[in-house]
Amino acid sequence: ETGVTQSPTHLIKTRGQQVTLRCSSQSGHNTVSWYQQALGQGPQFIFQYYREEENGRGNFPPRFSGLQFPNYSSELNVNALELDDSALYLCASSPGPASGGLGTDTQYFGPGTRLTVL
Amino acid sequence: DQQVKQNSPSLSVQEGRISILNCDYTNSMFDYFLWYKKYPAEGPTFLISISSIKDKNEDGRFTVFLNKSAKHLSLHIVPSQPGDSAVYFCAARAWGGKLTFGQGTILTVHP
Repeated sequence: ETGVTQSPTHLIKTRGQQVTLRCSSQSGHNTVSWYQQALGQGPQFIFQYYREEENGRGNFPPRFSGLQFPNYSSELNVNALELDDSALYLCASSPGPASGGLGTDTQYFGPGTRLTVL
Repeated sequence: DQQVKQNSPSLSVQEGRISILNCDYTNSMFDYFLWYKKYPAEGPTFLISISSIKDKNEDGRFTVFLNKSAKHLSLHIVPSQPGDSAVYFCAARAWGGKLTFGQGTILTVHP
């Protein structure tokens, strides 16, 4: 069973540029969630994709956008990069979206992409 | 507004003793709680979870307790091992799949 993978591992961009981060979900998982983890903080929810559609969004501006593909892999796009966007970006996959507290949608995380904006 | 709080930034424990990590939450709509462990340069690894309809869940050396009236959960690790040294995050989920994380507690287990 292949776990969640993310690419690239590290990335350096300059302010104003655009970036695309990629995530491959774990086999059998159809739901992908993206999180931003700033230094010394817990991960912050960006959005979730289920069957190629956005299924919930956190408190992030529209310049954060995403896609999910038919094979359930996903992309996170960030436009007009700002210095504060420097963070670890984590992708998590799960067998499905929330299912009423039964615990069948535990999210499994990839290793993350470290983005530095200069 | 920090809905999930881990008030202890760090915890140091002797090998073989019990480690107790605490987490408080404010949102009564949370229905599912999880603990993750994170090593440097890796993503969080799922440890154990508990539904809001239970008050205890055990898996090997790890036990999670939930006190709904106090809006408090804790993770007990016994016996603690040096390999348990990592950052531990508690997370809570309301309907919709979004996980809300605490700030993390750095656990150090000394040989």
